[in-house]
Amino acid sequence: RKEVEQDPGPFNVPEGATVAFNCTYSNSASQSFFWYRQDCRKEPKLLMSVYSSGNEDGRFTAQLNRASQYISLLIRDSKLSDSATYLCVVNMKNSGYALNFGKGTSLLVTP
Amino acid sequence: EPEVTQTPSHQVTQMGQEVILRCVPISNHLYFYWYRQILGQKVEFLVSFYNNEISEKSEIFDDQFSVERPDGSNFTLKIRSTKLEDSAMYFCASGPHNTGELFFGEGSRLTVL
Repeated sequence: RKEVEQDPGPFNVPEGATVAFNCTYSNSASQSFFWYRQDCRKEPKLLMSVYSSGNEDGRFTAQLNRASQYISLLIRDSKLSDSATYLCVVNMKNSGYALNFGKGTSLLVTP
Repeated sequence: EPEVTQTPSHQVTQMGQEVILRCVPISNHLYFYWYRQILGQKVEFLVSFYNNEISEKSEIFDDQFSVERPDGSNFTLKIRSTKLEDSAMYFCASGPHNTGELFFGEGSRLTVL
């Protein structure tokens, strides 16, 4: 079983749409969770951390379900600039040092 | 805005050659990392570095690899005797705390022929 699994997509949505991405992780001892975004052939950039109670940053909402080992990201009112690959990231062990990246979900927002 | 810088942006080398990839982390950060991404694959952890020593390393980071912080600003990844399968984008990252909130450099693309 892959340690971090994501639907690869691509998700093609029109501007203004709401889109949701899901992610599951295998290591129940994981303590830290994140969403990064990666533009084509660029470096990953931190989008947001994911907290147990769920958190929101503008148009982005992240949720964590520890019992199901499931993380989600909701993007409201999609912009063309949201087009990217969204990476679900989990720390490998009970430490912050090593991050385990999912392969990513590709999003294309169209006019 | 402070950023992580990496050099070279692209290096082409012959199989069996040694390569050094350089990184300048953000100045007040304490935790440094190397990750790599083979084309079309996921980002993979190689090594973390804190307080002038390796904190953790992955199975990928075998004796072929080494890291060094030769001075107060640079952080290097050395790959001895490169193999074809070492071809990848190598990302340096740094963070102010021991969390997963990392700042990545733009990467060094290594092509081994």
